[in-house]
Amino acid sequence: GAVVSQHPSRVICKSGTSVKIECRSLDFQATTMFWYRQFPKQSLMLMATSNEGSKATYEQGVEKDKFLINHASLTLSTLTVTSAHPEDSSFYICSARENGKTYEQYFGPGTRLTVT
Amino acid sequence: GQNIDQPTEMTATEGAIVQINCTYQTSGFNGLFWYQQHAGEAPTFLSYNVLDGLEEKGRFSSFLSRSKGYSYLLLKELQMKDSASYLCAASHAGNNRKLIWGLGTSLAVNP
Repeated sequence: GAVVSQHPSRVICKSGTSVKIECRSLDFQATTMFWYRQFPKQSLMLMATSNEGSKATYEQGVEKDKFLINHASLTLSTLTVTSAHPEDSSFYICSARENGKTYEQYFGPGTRLTVT
Repeated sequence: GQNIDQPTEMTATEGAIVQINCTYQTSGFNGLFWYQQHAGEAPTFLSYNVLDGLEEKGRFSSFLSRSKGYSYLLLKELQMKDSASYLCAASHAGNNRKLIWGLGTSLAVNP
């Protein structure tokens, strides 16, 4: 149980285009999901907390208009990187907290984004 | 402020025991997570300590001292596949109960 999927696993896009990444909880409901970014040999950096039915909470320094988050159902959150640039190339990971559980987060397999 | 400290790198020998320490300073602390992450993959859950003391799960054990702001992850009978990054994270009792992450300890297990 407690499986989280991400799609796509890898994506290459051209500078200036937008990319959408999906995060799904497959066998549980998740009111709260988290989006992280991780650069090589660095730790996870929390970008935003996604709450179903309400606006996402962004961490300091993360541009809301560039990283659009939509959590439209209890099993799906999406992150759209708008007008992507090479510096946005990174490993994007989502996690989900199962409803009724207090703290544990289940991670998706991650999405490798390369902007050329 | 909020801060998590853990060593950057550690090296150990196959079959040995290694202890990875983590100290934390965070307001609204609730508990301490340990995750394992292999290169290019997402983190996988290892343990969660809320109360003081040692929690044992097979070859892995985790310890917490809330009064000292200290935790450690103990890995026994090391195997080559244990070479990975080990991330310490403190759970925050505020809105959304997000995790505060350490920078990770890269463990290399040598034959």
